[in-house]
Amino acid sequence: AQSVAQPEDQVNVAEGNPLTVKCTYSVSGNPYLFWYVQYPNRGLQFLLKYITGDNLVKGSYGFEAEFNKSQTSFHLKKPSALVSDSALYFCAVRDRGGGFKTIFGAGTRLFVKA
Amino acid sequence: DAGVIQSPRHEVTEMGQEVTLRCKPISGHDYLFWYRQTMMRGLELLIYFNNNVPIDDSGMPEDRFSAKMPNASFSTLKIQPSEPRDSAVYFCASTSTPDQQPQHFGDGTRLSIL
Repeated sequence: AQSVAQPEDQVNVAEGNPLTVKCTYSVSGNPYLFWYVQYPNRGLQFLLKYITGDNLVKGSYGFEAEFNKSQTSFHLKKPSALVSDSALYFCAVRDRGGGFKTIFGAGTRLFVKA
Repeated sequence: DAGVIQSPRHEVTEMGQEVTLRCKPISGHDYLFWYRQTMMRGLELLIYFNNNVPIDDSGMPEDRFSAKMPNASFSTLKIQPSEPRDSAVYFCASTSTPDQQPQHFGDGTRLSIL
């Protein structure tokens, strides 16, 4: 069965410091991988996706993610955090060629302190 | 361009009443999804449609829930009769082929059943 794990409920980081939000997955084959962000009282917004090719994917707002096939991980990163990055982050996987059903992780809340 | 539009944004009603949530997907998108978000269970896929046809309704919790998509620009999710445990934020999302495309979420309906 497909699954996504976000091992940290919350990540705290100081503004200007690098941040990492972790994601590991379990799915057959080569999945599509996504990161979404959710701000209060808003829907999820797409940040970036991994389809194929370069393991380092760049996305919106300066975020990037590193795909590691051997560790089945897709960690979200940003070199310098902003207070405005504080939000709820979701990792998601979709089975390649298996339709549009997407499995979302439980979410990680990011707090960036000024 | 207009995003996914959901209405109402907030709904408060008494147990036993019928609740209807509405969604207008992004024009041209041929997939539509309904999700439910709670603190306890996270983001759950309830049902999704392709070209107005339900593809997977395995996430619909019970017969009290029903969803329809009478045309490409409108979908409804109904709960009848509603129960307090149905209180959650309900999201609609849409996307299009190919299957590597991300989903675009509406801002949700916050439903409270008293």
